[in-house]
Amino acid sequence: GNSVTQMEGPVTLSEEAFLTINCTYTATGYPSLFWYVQYPGEGLQLLLKATKADDKGSNKGFEATYRKETTSFHLEKGSVQVSDSAVYFCALTHNAGGTSYGKLTFGQGTILTVHP
Amino acid sequence: NAGVTQTPKFRVLKTGQSMTLLCAQDMNHEYMYWYRQDPGMGLRLIHYSVGEGTTAKGEVPDGYNVSRLKKQNFLLGLESAAPSQTSVYFCASRTSGQGPEQYFGPGTRLTVT
Repeated sequence: GNSVTQMEGPVTLSEEAFLTINCTYTATGYPSLFWYVQYPGEGLQLLLKATKADDKGSNKGFEATYRKETTSFHLEKGSVQVSDSAVYFCALTHNAGGTSYGKLTFGQGTILTVHP
Repeated sequence: NAGVTQTPKFRVLKTGQSMTLLCAQDMNHEYMYWYRQDPGMGLRLIHYSVGEGTTAKGEVPDGYNVSRLKKQNFLLGLESAAPSQTSVYFCASRTSGQGPEQYFGPGTRLTVT
């Protein structure tokens, strides 16, 4: 079956530091890959996505590249801010149809805390 | 356009009580999902629906039932709540066509004592 593994957290950084959160996956075929972010007390928001190999998703200064050869989708940001403090989830899905019906498989989440 | 809404936001139940969580979406999405979020475990799929009148089991369906009588609503029921069902519940929806992302509601925090 499908699975997603994220680096263990929590991650604590100072403002303007470089961020990497590792994500690797196991899936058949060609899944779509996502990073979702959950701010304190809120639901999940889509941060970025990539739907095929070598695609780079980007949003709000965050980037992730779909690497099929290493089955990875690592999240990076060059300079984090206090407002980036949140829980980050890596996830995958296959397109709707077939037997997957677009179900998301999530990693366990990584808590990021950024200090001033 | 409210997106995905969930009712209630918070609830405390005693063991053995029942309740229904309501999810509503105004995006005309065909697919809807219920997840639970527990510390260190990410989100796990409880049940899902691919259209009005259809439901299917996800990864952790035991103790829950669902109904999709209208396309815009997806109800999650707990017939006899247990402390193990203390969790945060999220509803999500997506289109059946291109554009694979799911859109999430704000969540319901349920405590079973």
